[in-house]
Amino acid sequence: GQQLNQSPQSMFIQEGEDVSMNCTSSSIFNTWLWYKQEPGEGPVLLIALYKAGELTSNGRLTAQFGITRKDSFLNISASIPSDVGIYFCAGINRDDKIIFGKGTRLHILP
Amino acid sequence: DGGITQSPKYLFRKEGQNVTLSCEQNLNHDAMYWYRQDPGQGLRLIYYSQIVNDFQKGDIAEGYSVSREKKESFPLTVTSAQKNPTAFYLCASSRGWGPDTQYFGPGTRLTVL
Repeated sequence: GQQLNQSPQSMFIQEGEDVSMNCTSSSIFNTWLWYKQEPGEGPVLLIALYKAGELTSNGRLTAQFGITRKDSFLNISASIPSDVGIYFCAGINRDDKIIFGKGTRLHILP
Repeated sequence: DGGITQSPKYLFRKEGQNVTLSCEQNLNHDAMYWYRQDPGQGLRLIYYSQIVNDFQKGDIAEGYSVSREKKESFPLTVTSAQKNPTAFYLCASSRGWGPDTQYFGPGTRLTVL
């Protein structure tokens, strides 16, 4: 079946640094979603992308829908301690099925 | 406040017992979903419902059952046939089926002893 490859699997950064993560697939998606999950909680939607090439920001977060429709990127600028968590990408394909990546676990060093 | 609630937050059961997890939403969403999350894994779809009185199996439906008698409610029963039921269970809903964004509840952590 379709899979999303999310990378990196985990990352350790210093507070204040910028963060980049991405999701790639061999398949085309019509919608890309980025979620953040904190320990013991459900994922919270951060950004939704609906068009190839679309670039959308939500505060310090910026996400892009890749031109090929097979990838998406999430950037976090000037990281702060509350950014810690697991970030999931999700793609919705032409059959309206949603596929989730396995997540990028973000750790922030003081 | 509008949202999705799941109860209880933590649930413990003995092996061989059935257990039902609650999911309620007041967002007036038509579609609801149940996912299972294991450590280091993505979300795996158990069951989904596009509309009241209708539901479909997801990727890992074996050992689970659901009902959708009301728009607001989509309870999940973990039966004794589920071989490895200990996991974090997430309920989600969306306005409609298709490319509509899914919103998640806070989750229920089930531990089978």
